[in-house]
Amino acid sequence: EPEVTQTPSHQVTQMGQEVILRCVPISNHLYFYWYRQILGQKVEFLVSFYNNEISEKSEIFDDQFSVERPDGSNFTLKIRSTKLEDSAMYFCASDPRGQGTGELFFGEGSRLTVL
Amino acid sequence: RKEVEQDPGPFNVPEGATVAFNCTYSNSASQSFFWYRQDCRKEPKLLMSVYSSGNEDGRFTAQLNRASQYISLLIRDSKLSDSATYLCVVGGLYSSASKIIFGSGTRLSIRP
Repeated sequence: EPEVTQTPSHQVTQMGQEVILRCVPISNHLYFYWYRQILGQKVEFLVSFYNNEISEKSEIFDDQFSVERPDGSNFTLKIRSTKLEDSAMYFCASDPRGQGTGELFFGEGSRLTVL
Repeated sequence: RKEVEQDPGPFNVPEGATVAFNCTYSNSASQSFFWYRQDCRKEPKLLMSVYSSGNEDGRFTAQLNRASQYISLLIRDSKLSDSATYLCVVGGLYSSASKIIFGSGTRLSIRP
């Protein structure tokens, strides 16, 4: 069964460093998402991406964050100058039909720890 | 008012019991509704979509009440494996079609 894969599974970084989280969505899916979940808290929407551009973004997704689909398969989330409060699980998801259908397929997540 | 609001629980029920969760959403223009399940420290997984007419999948029944902006999930004959956090998900607003919002989740624990 096709699946969304994410790397790394866990990254530890120093405050102020840049981090890139990678995702390979399911190949024929149209919309891609990044969500984050701080330990013990809710799954928070960060950004959606369609047709090689950002479709929607939340107030969390400020200038510190950026997304790219550099090569037609990988979908990356870059966090510039990480802060302690960026420590969270970051989930990538893809949607086969798009337009906010909500039938999301999630990767297993990348746990980011900022020291 | 939160965009998607759920009773956090925890619900602690015996095996075989019937349990119901509720969820309310704030934006009447929302178009799509789902229940997801999340096991501890795992990714969310789609449990079922929620349709206006109500829908059933085995022991699980979901209902949508658009007038009250209310979604429910009923689990019958609960199993130990049903222990998880259940997430109410709302999406598909006309103005923000791909902004899919998760509730905080309701924790369910099934005891033997």
